[in-house]
Amino acid sequence: DGGITQSPKYLFRKEGQNVTLSCEQNLNHDAMYWYRQDPGQGLRLIYYSQIVNDFQKGDIAEGYSVSREKKESFPLTVTSAQKNPTAFYLCASSTGTVTPGYTFGSGTRLTVV
Amino acid sequence: QKEVEQNSGPLSVPEGAIASLNCTYSDRGSQSFFWYRQYSGKSPELIMSIYSNGDKEDGRFTAQLNKASQYVSLLIRDSQPSDSATYLCAVNSEGAQKLVFGQGTRLTINP
Repeated sequence: DGGITQSPKYLFRKEGQNVTLSCEQNLNHDAMYWYRQDPGQGLRLIYYSQIVNDFQKGDIAEGYSVSREKKESFPLTVTSAQKNPTAFYLCASSTGTVTPGYTFGSGTRLTVV
Repeated sequence: QKEVEQNSGPLSVPEGAIASLNCTYSDRGSQSFFWYRQYSGKSPELIMSIYSNGDKEDGRFTAQLNKASQYVSLLIRDSQPSDSATYLCAVNSEGAQKLVFGQGTRLTINP
């Protein structure tokens, strides 16, 4: 079945550590997105990519980095520069236009310990 | 002003009644509008999309769009306890292949 796989489901980060969240899709979608969700809030865009080897910053890119070396993969690194990384991270993909909407992965819950 | 605004709720509706969720947006160039349902701890699930003024019905769900008023709504008829979730409104901007989300409305259906 086609879909988006995010891993791990839960991730714990120590202060000062970089961690990488995985996002893989087999939908043959061109565009991929990373959002962050804090409790009781909506989704805020971190980074997005519409083609391989190209990506753009979203509204809250500081402290994060991404790469898009393959169409299927869009990993997100949360760096030590991100001072408040505890959140629910969602990866999404679309055909390249926002219609007919996104397909979301199941999310990664990141906690700083 | 936020780009996409929703009443965060909680909105409490008795079982069997109509739940009405509202969303306003600021970009007049927006062309695509979506409603997502998100259960606690889960990822959002697309339930409705609408692109032109008027109503669009799918089962118990009706999306309504009024571009002149920059307003989109979601009606849920015959509300069920399983409809209890947070509903996210999402809008794209003209020429922008990305969605902007509202903060979500938490809906509770009371048996």
